[in-house]
Amino acid sequence: GQNIDQPTEMTATEGAIVQINCTYQTSGFNGLFWYQQHAGEAPTFLSYNVLDGLEEKGRFSSFLSRSKGYSYLLLKELQMKDSASYLCAVKGGSYIPTFGRGTSLIVHP
Amino acid sequence: EAGVAQSPRYKIIEKRQSVAFWCNPISGHATLYWYQQILGQGPKLLIQFQNNGVVDDSQLPKDRFSAERLKGVDSTLKIQPAKLEDSAVYLCASSPRFGAGASTDTQYFGPGTRLTVL
Repeated sequence: GQNIDQPTEMTATEGAIVQINCTYQTSGFNGLFWYQQHAGEAPTFLSYNVLDGLEEKGRFSSFLSRSKGYSYLLLKELQMKDSASYLCAVKGGSYIPTFGRGTSLIVHP
Repeated sequence: EAGVAQSPRYKIIEKRQSVAFWCNPISGHATLYWYQQILGQGPKLLIQFQNNGVVDDSQLPKDRFSAERLKGVDSTLKIQPAKLEDSAVYLCASSPRFGAGASTDTQYFGPGTRLTVL
């Protein structure tokens, strides 16, 4: 089976930097996705990591360490609109995606 | 490019009734997923199709849930009979194909159907 762990909730200040962690245990590994989900809306794709290292895309970056079963999503220059749930999803050896419970990020002024 | 379409957007039924949801994926996407998302949790995969074949349905409660994708395009998910614990948002997603790589596996989600079972 697969186990994915994320913090339930985080708070941060507008303009700051926040790091959302995701740890996973899977049988095999074929990639890790981060999705953003605003309340009442569908998830939207943010990033994909399959090799170790940092992937940067504008204000968002995602890091992966396969040996540690660990990833993080880094959000810089936080804006109020970044308040949302952030979902970590892992594809194991079967390529079937499994989502974590999500981290609810609250950005306050 | 049109996104993933789902209908209805909202549905309220009483327990033991039946309900069906419809999904039209992005044109050309071979892989289609149905997820159940209970409030405060991440999406849980119910079933995954590659064209009109089932890739995985290990978490689908087959005594009450069924899904089909007859022509490899549209899909329907049915619940019969519904239970209180089925209250959730049902998300449909599609991706270009099934396998490795972000370009093929990135999932595009529809707006979801919010089901309330009374």
